[in-house]
Amino acid sequence: EAAVTQSPRNKVAVTGGKVTLSCNQTNNHNNMYWYRQDTGHGLRLIHYSYGAGSTEKGDIPDGYKASRPSQENFSLILELATPSQTSVYFCASGDAGGGTEVFFGKGTRLTVV
Amino acid sequence: GDSVIQMQGQVTLSENDFLFINCTYSTTGYPTLFWYVQYSGEGPQLLLQVTTANNKGSSRGFEATYDKGTTSFHLQKTSVQEIDSAVYYCAMRGTSGGNYKPTFGKGTSLVVHP
Repeated sequence: EAAVTQSPRNKVAVTGGKVTLSCNQTNNHNNMYWYRQDTGHGLRLIHYSYGAGSTEKGDIPDGYKASRPSQENFSLILELATPSQTSVYFCASGDAGGGTEVFFGKGTRLTVV
Repeated sequence: GDSVIQMQGQVTLSENDFLFINCTYSTTGYPTLFWYVQYSGEGPQLLLQVTTANNKGSSRGFEATYDKGTTSFHLQKTSVQEIDSAVYYCAMRGTSGGNYKPTFGKGTSLVVHP
């Protein structure tokens, strides 16, 4: 079965600090995605990637960077964390073709104090 | 740009009630449409998907129907149970022109009382 693993599962960070959220997939999927989930907003796309070395801006990229060093790994980086970035973050992977599902990790709960 | 509109933010039902959740979408071409379910503490997972080829999908007692004419798709279940309490997301993914990013609605939180 498709597997997407996120780490850490919970994180408390200080305002102005750097935060890195990691995601690993064992599905050999080309595409990977980072979403944040907030009440009233659903799932919003932050960054995505079509393969190793590529990153693309999603719908809400401001304040975030992404890195895809390999097929399996995709990171989300908050260089200067702010309290407004307190949220639950989900990583997902999927085939390059459009008509197929994506697979999600269990999420990372980030609190910025 | 692409969008998926899911109007019902929360639905509260009793066991054995009928469930109906509707979504509308906007994109070019004919996308594949999905319903995801998210249980507490978990990530979203696929419930079912519908394509233009079949217009309907079903899984675990849920049924989804796709109407290209009105660019809408809905999820229904005849008799909900308490274990169906979860957040339901409609989503779409394009199948042409390189438009493969999944786009999600805002989610419907379903609470089923015993």
